Amino acid sequence: EAGVVQSPRYKIIEKKQPVAFWCNPISGHNTLYWYRQNLGQGPELLIRYENEEAVDDSQLPKDRFSAERLKGVDSTLKIQPAELGDSAVYLCASSVIQGPSNSPLHFGNGTRLTVT
Amino acid sequence: SQQGEEDPQALSIQEGENATMNCSYKTSINNLQWYRQNSGRGLVHLILIRSNEREKHSGRLRVTLDTSKKSSSLLITASRAADTASYFCGWSSYKLIFGSGTRLLVRP
Repeated sequence: EAGVVQSPRYKIIEKKQPVAFWCNPISGHNTLYWYRQNLGQGPELLIRYENEEAVDDSQLPKDRFSAERLKGVDSTLKIQPAELGDSAVYLCASSVIQGPSNSPLHFGNGTRLTVT
Repeated sequence: SQQGEEDPQALSIQEGENATMNCSYKTSINNLQWYRQNSGRGLVHLILIRSNEREKHSGRLRVTLDTSKKSSSLLITASRAADTASYFCGWSSYKLIFGSGTRLLVRP
């Protein structure tokens, strides 16, 4: 099966500019996650979708971050405006079973964002 | 981290030796999962152990879980240079939270 696909792989922008990341999960996976990983740290959950519904967005900085998952398949994560502290790797993951409790996550290779 | 820790932060061993990584967490869990991450790549799932299990094996991997101590360990036996990567534990109640990882270097 094809894995989780993310694009772009790298993005360099100036602060205050907008940026968007795209994710295509594994076919049939209803649960989709966006994580942020800072250098030398573990991933931190930003948002979790069950189909089209965002069921956990408590860690998403809503003043500048937004996400959508139209039709319950692909997802886009947007930052507007970007700040220097947003430099990180943004990882998308999907799982087949609803919720993370009993299902492994399948990760994409991430988008490395550098804000200058 | 207020959520938990992994140790050691970094580990360097010779090929053929065993590598042990430890994970501690602070909440009740449904399961605990271990992942591997090669440089510049996403995380790859290695093994999941449920809260009612104490030990699980997969190939050269052995995972233990002690819920009374809120801790888990990952043992990689007979390590290979290709095992060089970062290893993360993730503990799950209603969401999966990751530790800060152990960076393993296996010297040929």
